[in-house]
Amino acid sequence: NAGVTQTPKFRVLKTGQSMTLLCAQDMNHEYMYWYRQDPGMGLRLIHYSVGEGTTAKGEVPDGYNVSRLKKQNFLLGLESAAPSQTSVYFCASRRRSLSTDTQYFGPGTRLTVL
Amino acid sequence: AQSVSQHNHHVILSEAASLELGCNYSYGGTVNLFWYVQYPGQHLQLLLKYFSGDPLVKGIKGFEAEFIKSKFSFNLRKPSVQWSDTAEYFCAVNFLNTDKLIFGTGTRLQVFP
Repeated sequence: NAGVTQTPKFRVLKTGQSMTLLCAQDMNHEYMYWYRQDPGMGLRLIHYSVGEGTTAKGEVPDGYNVSRLKKQNFLLGLESAAPSQTSVYFCASRRRSLSTDTQYFGPGTRLTVL
Repeated sequence: AQSVSQHNHHVILSEAASLELGCNYSYGGTVNLFWYVQYPGQHLQLLLKYFSGDPLVKGIKGFEAEFIKSKFSFNLRKPSVQWSDTAEYFCAVNFLNTDKLIFGTGTRLQVFP
């Protein structure tokens, strides 16, 4: 049981390049989230999904796209990277129930855009 | 808009000192409350959570938090900190009319031996 995993762990991009971050969870969780973490700003929600085939915008969705084709995977895409997207990206998942509503986080992806 | 505030941005303590980190949230009805910890270079881990019942909740590593509904607060406490508590602490709130967690900006705790 690996929990939440993220690929890759580190990446350096040039401005204008594109990339996809992969999040995978093996806990059969319905909900999945993508956050970015920047110094002094905490975690900000980019996009999230409440089930396979559904996605929704969070606080800071501009410049990102997501897809949830399979329940266990949640992809975050940057079509044209900008230096402002330099950040640490965390994926999280949770099961929706009345008694347990904890989000489980992946190890993060450190992205630098030059 | 729903928001979470952590007023202490950076706290420096000596070992054995007591700790209290503040967390306040905007009114939004029923809430679930969480404290997460992020040790240097690691991902976020759950410290404790409150859903209902006793407003004083105990978590891992000797941490506890008290939910005061009238003050919209969920402060984190530890009677005696250790060097290994050096980390960043995040308060997060799930407002139950949404599917999202709203995080505070975090408090960086440094504990010196």
